[in-house]
Amino acid sequence: RKEVEQDPGPFNVPEGATVAFNCTYSNSASQSFFWYRQDCRKEPKLLMSVYSSGNEDGRFTAQLNRASQYISLLIRDSKLSDSATYLCVVNDYKLSFGAGTTVTVRA
Amino acid sequence: NAGVTQTPKFRILKIGQSMTLQCTQDMNHNYMYWYRQDPGMGLKLIYYSVGAGITDKGEVPNGYNVSRSTTEDFPLRLELAAPSQTSVYFCATGQGNRQPQHFGDGTRLSIL
Repeated sequence: RKEVEQDPGPFNVPEGATVAFNCTYSNSASQSFFWYRQDCRKEPKLLMSVYSSGNEDGRFTAQLNRASQYISLLIRDSKLSDSATYLCVVNDYKLSFGAGTTVTVRA
Repeated sequence: NAGVTQTPKFRILKIGQSMTLQCTQDMNHNYMYWYRQDPGMGLKLIYYSVGAGITDKGEVPNGYNVSRSTTEDFPLRLELAAPSQTSVYFCATGQGNRQPQHFGDGTRLSIL
């Protein structure tokens, strides 16, 4: 089983829609979690950390479910500029990256 | 404040050639990492370093070497380039093994 698994998508949504996707991880002892954004083979950039109680950053909401070992990302009121690949990152003693979920927002 | 700087941005090598990918950071981070990313795949850790003079293997170290003589620099060396090493290479830094990482903008390497 891969350490971090993501639905590759693509999720193709209209502007203004809400899109959500999950990421599962295999190591129950993992301590910290992040969502990164990667545009068209450019460098990954930190989008947000994921806290146990869940957290929001503007239109983005991240949740952690330790019992089922997954984290989620929800994007509200999608913008064209949200089109990207979203990487789930799980940290036990090192960062493990998922292969990414591609989101395309259309006008 | 440049952050993490990688050079070169692009390179084409012939099979069997060697080269060094440079990574320099001005963030004063102790931790530095090298990843490769193949098309449609996630990042795979090649080598990492927790401080000057200390390096360790990641998930896919074969065919690569690193050194860390200073806090700022973490070069990655390919001794005998092979087509399987065609990839995008990212260098990253961090403040600790549970902290988010900051990435350079990558080196796109093709081996023909």
